[in-house]
This record gives sequence, C-alpha cells and structure tokens, in this order.
Amino acid sequence: NAGVMQNPRHLVRRRGQEARLRCSPMKGHSHVYWYRQLPEEGLKFMVYLQKENIIDESGMPKERFSAEFPKEGPSILRIQQVVRGDSAAYFCASSPQASGQRNSPLHFGNGTRLTVT
Amino acid sequence: GDSVTQMEGPVTLSEEAFLTINCTYTATGYPSLFWYVQYPGEGLQLLLKATKADDKGSNKGFEATYRKETTSFHLEKGSVQVSDSAVYFCALSVNTGNQFYFGTGTSLTVIP
Repeated sequence: NAGVMQNPRHLVRRRGQEARLRCSPMKGHSHVYWYRQLPEEGLKFMVYLQKENIIDESGMPKERFSAEFPKEGPSILRIQQVVRGDSAAYFCASSPQASGQRNSPLHFGNGTRLTVT
Repeated sequence: GDSVTQMEGPVTLSEEAFLTINCTYTATGYPSLFWYVQYPGEGLQLLLKATKADDKGSNKGFEATYRKETTSFHLEKGSVQVSDSAVYFCALSVNTGNQFYFGTGTSLTVIP
C-alpha cells in the first residue's frame, strides 16, 4: 500500500528556469495539499486541491506559482522563473477527506528539495 | 484566526530523560489536534491525535492530552531514546476550514 509519492526527491534549477514537482496521493485519497518548508522554519500552507479543482490557494504566491490536480495523473506544483528564494523543501500531503473533517489526518510524502543556483 | 504555538528548540536530552514539548492553540471552531514527527530527510509522519476535549492520544510511548480549558496539547514521553531524535510538529484542523495549521517545529536531540 504505497504512501504519498513525490518526485523528484532533489531538484536543482538555475535562476529563471521552471521547476515541476509531482505528487501522487495515497490510493483512495482525492484531497491534496502542498506545503513549503524553509530551513529552520515550519511548514507553510500553499494550496489545497481536489480532483480538477483548486479549493484554497490562499498560501500560494500570486506570481510564478501554480498547481493542478488533473482527473488522471499526479498533482503538479509548477514554479516558473525560479529565484534563489524558492529554494526549499516542498511537501505534498493527501487525505481521503477534507481537512475540515475531523479524524482525517494528512499523510505526507518525503518531499522534493529544490535548490536554485 | 486559527494558529498553533509550540515551544522553540532545540531541545537536547540525555537518554531516558523525561520529555515535554509544549503546544498551545487558538481555534475558532472545534479543532482536532495532532502531533507529527519528521526524521531527517523525510516527510512528516503522524505520531498521535486527539479529536475532542480530554481525549488522550498515545503512540510509541508518547502521549498528549487535549486540554480545552488551557487550549493546550503538550507532548510527553517518560523515557526518551536516541531514536526519538527528530523534529516534532504540533498541528490542528478545524471543521470550518480547509487547512491544517502547523507549529514551527521543535528539534529534539537525544544523546546516549
């Protein structure tokens, strides 16, 4: 029973390039969350998606960042024209229900560590 | 707004020492409370949870009690091991929102 799968584990991009981070939720989970973790900081919520819908993107920077969760395939977090400040660990989590449903913890992947040079 | 505040680290303990990591919360609805653990290079793993007042979550020797009167969910373990070295995150979710709210994490190092 595979957990949340994220790839790649490590991603190096030069300034100005695009970064694509992929997340396959646990089987049976239709709710996906993306978080960013900066060094020595906690987790910052970015976006919450269900299949084909963005439910809450209040934590997403307004420019250069986008996310999708298509009907088929993994969820994608896309960062265009990366800058050094985008260097961080990006974690995906999934849940069978909305996080507002009690007793519904998040299941995390191992993250993608993005380094912008 | 909804938020979680946990004690800052890092915390360094000797093996078999008693551990307490404090966590307090602010919530507008009826929150569920969680502790997650993150080992180096990995994602967060659920350690324990409690969904209503006075519930006690427990797992792997760790415990936390949901205290509504003090809005707290402190993590405790009676005798830590070197393998408990990790970062611990307190978190909450409310039934009126879409988000989990995480504390900033507390780094624990246990030395032999």
